[in-house]
Amino acid sequence: DTEVTQTPKHLVMGMTNKKSLKCEQHMGHRAMYWYKQKAKKPPELMFVYSYEKLSINESVPSRFSPECPNSSLLNLHLHALQPEDSALYLCASSQEAGISTGELFFGEGSRLTVL
Amino acid sequence: SQKIEQNSEALNIQEGKTATLTCNYTNYSPAYLQWYRQDPGRGPVFLLLIRENEKEKRKERLKVTFDTTLKQSLFHITASQPADSATYLCAPDNYGQNFVFGPGTRLSVLP
Repeated sequence: DTEVTQTPKHLVMGMTNKKSLKCEQHMGHRAMYWYKQKAKKPPELMFVYSYEKLSINESVPSRFSPECPNSSLLNLHLHALQPEDSALYLCASSQEAGISTGELFFGEGSRLTVL
Repeated sequence: SQKIEQNSEALNIQEGKTATLTCNYTNYSPAYLQWYRQDPGRGPVFLLLIRENEKEKRKERLKVTFDTTLKQSLFHITASQPADSATYLCAPDNYGQNFVFGPGTRLSVLP
């Protein structure tokens, strides 16, 4: 079982809706990540939080808004999405960001469909 | 710009054979390289990490090599089984500044 929990597992939303994806880890990790994955493509990095501060934003459109309320939680707020934003959204965590400590732990993902 | 390539999009091998997957990178010098396995509809799972000063790493039936001169890592699965069928992703990394994955190789082990 994964130690990174993502909710919801599936989300269907219209282009005018506002929704949020949530991610939680209790491993004491200080870095958390959001990735987007389209079919038959690798995960694509969106955001990195290190010690609850946004450290990397890979030029993601502003309709995606990340939030890190505390060291265990990571949210991705969604607003005015487009159908092409439909994808699997993966959350991950690691002990630290910025040093070669080791692996990323991934959640099972949230499958988003934008109608 | 930095680029990561994996030898083929898909690889079919017969059960019991050794699968060899390739990861090549250009325009940067990663301090370490990781390999992950991903099953359809699930998050990637970490398999092995190898550092730039290590030539080879093993874990059960898995072996990874890292050649910083060739800018290449090889990932081997010996005595492959149908359960090894999955997509394998490499991730060469510069101290975690931008944790980027290669395009992946979809391995099918045929019984």
